[in-house]
Amino acid sequence: EIVLTQSPGTLSLSPGERATLSCRASQSVRNNYLVWYQQKPGQAPSLLIYGASSRAAGIPDRFSGSASGTDFTLTISRLEPEDFAVYYCQQYGTSLTFGGGTKVEIK
Amino acid sequence: QVQLVQSGAEVKKPGASVKVSCQASGYTFTSFGINWVRQAPGQGLEWMGWISAKNGNTNYAEMLQGRVTMTTDTATSTAHMELRSLTSDDTAVYYCARTAVAGPTFMTWWGQGTRVTVSS
Repeated sequence: EIVLTQSPGTLSLSPGERATLSCRASQSVRNNYLVWYQQKPGQAPSLLIYGASSRAAGIPDRFSGSASGTDFTLTISRLEPEDFAVYYCQQYGTSLTFGGGTKVEIK
Repeated sequence: QVQLVQSGAEVKKPGASVKVSCQASGYTFTSFGINWVRQAPGQGLEWMGWISAKNGNTNYAEMLQGRVTMTTDTATSTAHMELRSLTSDDTAVYYCARTAVAGPTFMTWWGQGTRVTVSS
């Protein structure tokens, strides 16, 4: 099973700041088949990024994803108030597994 | 538009079974798969398994093998997930989610979630 380790667990930032979230895989993820979801309290997750770097429909361009080997990064260039939430990575290259999540909270 | 509407909250006793339903609309049901994902209180997301709505093929998470059964009813565009031998560790919100393509892949549309509480 591919284990995804997300860091940090919590990120405390102010609106307008840049957020950098990490997701490290325990082994290679086939074809960089990795996505990022955003989840707000009391809601289902919603898709942000697929294929490590492609934005889903309707996702603003302040969200970007990248990959380097087994390291994946979600970057939010300038945090908007609605971006404070929990973010999960998930790989679908070998079965499916989720990372533990990173909470982005208001500082 | 695509919608996945799940059945209502359940309270079960340890050892019982629960069956959660997920009715899809707004797309061709048999062209995509359904993943089931659960989230224990205050915890992260856990993938439970996938079912093809086209042919009923399934792929279950190893830790649930033997306790979970996923089915689909193409006549009503509904997916079902049954979990047996419940313990308190199964207390969670259960989500169905449509896959992006037919196979077991990432999820583009999610149901609203069904809260299952296991308590004596």
